[in-house]
Amino acid sequence: AQKITQTQPGMFVQEKEAVTLDCTYDTSDPSYGLFWYKQPSSGEMIFLIYQGSYDQQNATEGRYSLNFQKARKSANLVISASQLGDSAMYFCAMREGNFGGAQKLVFGQGTRLTINP
Amino acid sequence: NAGVTQTPKFQVLKTGQSMTLQCAQDMNHNSMYWYRQDPGMGLRLIYYSASEGTTDKGEVPNGYNVSRLNKREFSLRLESAAPSQTSVYFCASRRQGPGTEAFFGQGTRLTVV
Repeated sequence: AQKITQTQPGMFVQEKEAVTLDCTYDTSDPSYGLFWYKQPSSGEMIFLIYQGSYDQQNATEGRYSLNFQKARKSANLVISASQLGDSAMYFCAMREGNFGGAQKLVFGQGTRLTINP
Repeated sequence: NAGVTQTPKFQVLKTGQSMTLQCAQDMNHNSMYWYRQDPGMGLRLIYYSASEGTTDKGEVPNGYNVSRLNKREFSLRLESAAPSQTSVYFCASRRQGPGTEAFFGQGTRLTVV
């Protein structure tokens, strides 16, 4: 069963608009973490933002925020005031497992975001 | 500050050949991971390791073996390469803990002909 689902294969947004990238997850582990990464065309993986399952507030990092709805098992990434440099693949990932042992980190299929001028 | 280093960056293999992809990190991280990325498929977890001497299977372990001989290094071996293993392979490491992100190598582009 897919643990992380990103239902938007591609999105096209006008520059300066806000954009929401969807991510839903499936886990029975009460302690988990959710990450978003950006992969530009150059191929490197860039960490953007993290949300822990016990965090009371939604995470924010500059123009990035995470809309965490625990009951719905969703962790959507919101990018405010999009820029041309935001064009990239975006991946949602989930960390499961005990802190004292092996911690699995699995990724969704990604969303390709294109910002139009 | 090297971070996570993968070698080689590019490799072409013939079907049936074997090879080992090397990964080393200098951040004193406990956890290390191997992923493959196919077009449109995202990153799929092959194997991961919580510490030296321990490894666990991920989502797509068939056709691969791994070795975590020490804290720094985590190698991925293809014993008999197949065209279906053509992919970009990423190694990653992270510190144990709730909010610690994974750091990735630059990837190895492997083609099996």
